[in-house]
Amino acid sequence: EAAVTQSPRNKVTVTGGNVTLSCRQTNSHNYMYWYRQDTGHGLRLIHYSYGAGNLQIGDVPDGYKATRTTQEDFFLLLELASPSQTSLYFCASSDAGLGGYAEQFFGPGTRLTVL
Amino acid sequence: QQKVQQSPESLIVPEGAMTSLNCTFSDSASQYFAWYRQHSGKAPKALMSIFSNGEKEEGRFTIHLNKASLHFSLHIRDSQPSDSALYLCAVRQGGRALIFGTGTTVSVSP
Repeated sequence: EAAVTQSPRNKVTVTGGNVTLSCRQTNSHNYMYWYRQDTGHGLRLIHYSYGAGNLQIGDVPDGYKATRTTQEDFFLLLELASPSQTSLYFCASSDAGLGGYAEQFFGPGTRLTVL
Repeated sequence: QQKVQQSPESLIVPEGAMTSLNCTFSDSASQYFAWYRQHSGKAPKALMSIFSNGEKEEGRFTIHLNKASLHFSLHIRDSQPSDSALYLCAVRQGGRALIFGTGTTVSVSP
């Protein structure tokens, strides 16, 4: 089964602070994703990537940057954190799959609190 | 933009009963439909997926898809307390990015 790890697992920062969330997958998947999960909103896609150096904008990208440095590593950056970014963040990965449809494997999540 | 909505928001089901969850989508060109399950404090995990109209069964779980109605559903036969979780439906909209619904919280009472 795919292994996706995230760090840190919990993070508290202040308004205006810089935060970097890290994600690593070890199953050689090409695709990686960042989601945020909030009560009443389900999972919302922030950014995703097809491979190292590639970045695609998701549905809720404002206030977030992302960078895919290698096939394994995908980072989410909050450069001026705001309380509205307090959330549970999930990273996921998938391979191309048949015709492009493939199961996504999720990491354990990072709970971020912005005071 | 694709809208994916789930109903009900939550439900309580007695052990052994059938659980039925609904998902509607807005883009008739959608091609891939999936259900994920998330136990409390855990990561979402894929349950089942379907590509074409009809029904697909895996063990106690069955997906129905009706593209013309922009609707698909998940049915859990003989519901168990271990089925208590948040259920998320997802639809593929272009590329590799799934659009998720807001979820249905299921509680199975012993």
